[in-house]
Amino acid sequence: AQSVTQLDSQVPVFEEAPVELRCNYSSSVSVYLFWYVQYPNQGLQLLLKYLSGSTLVKGINGFEAEFNKSQTSFHLRKPSVHISDTAEYFCAVTRTGTASKLTFGTGTRLQVTL
Amino acid sequence: DTGVSQDPRHKITKRGQNVTFRCDPISEHNRLYWYRQTLGQGPEFLTYFQNEAQLEKSRLLSDRFSAERPKGSFSTLEIQRTEQGDSAMYLCASSLAVGQGQDTQYFGPGTRLTVL
Repeated sequence: AQSVTQLDSQVPVFEEAPVELRCNYSSSVSVYLFWYVQYPNQGLQLLLKYLSGSTLVKGINGFEAEFNKSQTSFHLRKPSVHISDTAEYFCAVTRTGTASKLTFGTGTRLQVTL
Repeated sequence: DTGVSQDPRHKITKRGQNVTFRCDPISEHNRLYWYRQTLGQGPEFLTYFQNEAQLEKSRLLSDRFSAERPKGSFSTLEIQRTEQGDSAMYLCASSLAVGQGQDTQYFGPGTRLTVL
């Protein structure tokens, strides 16, 4: 089984500042990793994913994440946030090559203020 | 290319009533997933289908819950004898199956259920 830990339930940050949202996972098998964003009362939108290849992946809205197998981490970063980035961010994993269920973390609320 | 759609977006019901939700996946996607999300939590897996076959069910899916995908296209999730603990956002997602090189699930807007 897989599990995901998002240690920071809330991250407050000023506009134009950099941000890092942390994600650690546990799995006995190879996994694919995802970050999704959820705006209030909406579904989840894919930000980026790591399937294979380069460990640094770039996504939409200027976000990027780095897969670190030795530290079992997949932290999300943005060099300069905007007010519109205020949302809930979820890290998720699934077993490679199975296209089966996603296991999600509990989410991190990113609050961007002026 | 239309995304995943869900209907209704909101449902308010009284305890003990039955409710049914519908999900229409992205047209070429043969896998369809249901998740439940309670306030302040991440989505939790309920069940998934490949075409019309239900391949896995979570232990969260009690006998009051049933899901179908009769023709391998849209899916329905029914909750019988609703309880207040069923209040949650029910999310549907779809993807291509294994072997087609796509492992990304795309989510619909969700159905918010409130049980009074």
